[in-house]
Amino acid sequence: GAGVSQSPRYKVTKRGQDVALRCDPISGHVSLYWYRQALGQGPEFLTYFNYEAQQDKSGLPNDRFSAERPEGSISTLTIQRTEQRDSAMYRCASSFGGAGNTQYFGPGTRLTVL
Amino acid sequence: ELKVEQNPLFLSMQEGKNYTIYCNYSTTSDRLYWYRQDPGKSLESLFVLLSNGAVKQEGRLMASLDTKARLSTLHITAAVHDLSATYFCAVGGNTNAGKSTFGDGTTLTVKP
Repeated sequence: GAGVSQSPRYKVTKRGQDVALRCDPISGHVSLYWYRQALGQGPEFLTYFNYEAQQDKSGLPNDRFSAERPEGSISTLTIQRTEQRDSAMYRCASSFGGAGNTQYFGPGTRLTVL
Repeated sequence: ELKVEQNPLFLSMQEGKNYTIYCNYSTTSDRLYWYRQDPGKSLESLFVLLSNGAVKQEGRLMASLDTKARLSTLHITAAVHDLSATYFCAVGGNTNAGKSTFGDGTTLTVKP
């Protein structure tokens, strides 16, 4: 079956613009996770959902970052008033159950803020 | 704050040799994940370890977890070139169940 998909795969934007990154998890997966990965480093947790409920948003860097999953399936990570330091690979993962279950990662969205 | 340390960060080894990658973490957890990442690709789950003493094996890779020592190991047996990749461990939080903290990765190069 289809894996986790993310769109767009690449996004170039100017500083100050808002961007919305989309994640489409594997069908039936309850949990959805957002990470940010800088080059040469491990992924950094941002937030996660069980169904439509945002369970933990402690990793969101500041209030310019927000995420939603209104129907318990597709999720959107929104970054308002982008800054150059927001440039990174944003990765989404999903799992059938919650903690302790295998997470399946999507291909990521490469965000570049000019 | 949970900290995860992997060592070594870079590992170059010859085909046919054995080696171990170590993952130490700073606070109690009984959820430990290992992932593989090829250059320019996404992460692929290798192992999920959920209890003290857990051991899992897949092909030439074997992972173990010692929650008392806060240590997981990824052992490579008779390395082959196809195992060249970056390997990450990630530790699940106790109070925030879905939150994983990743190490910085071990980049493995297997030479003929």
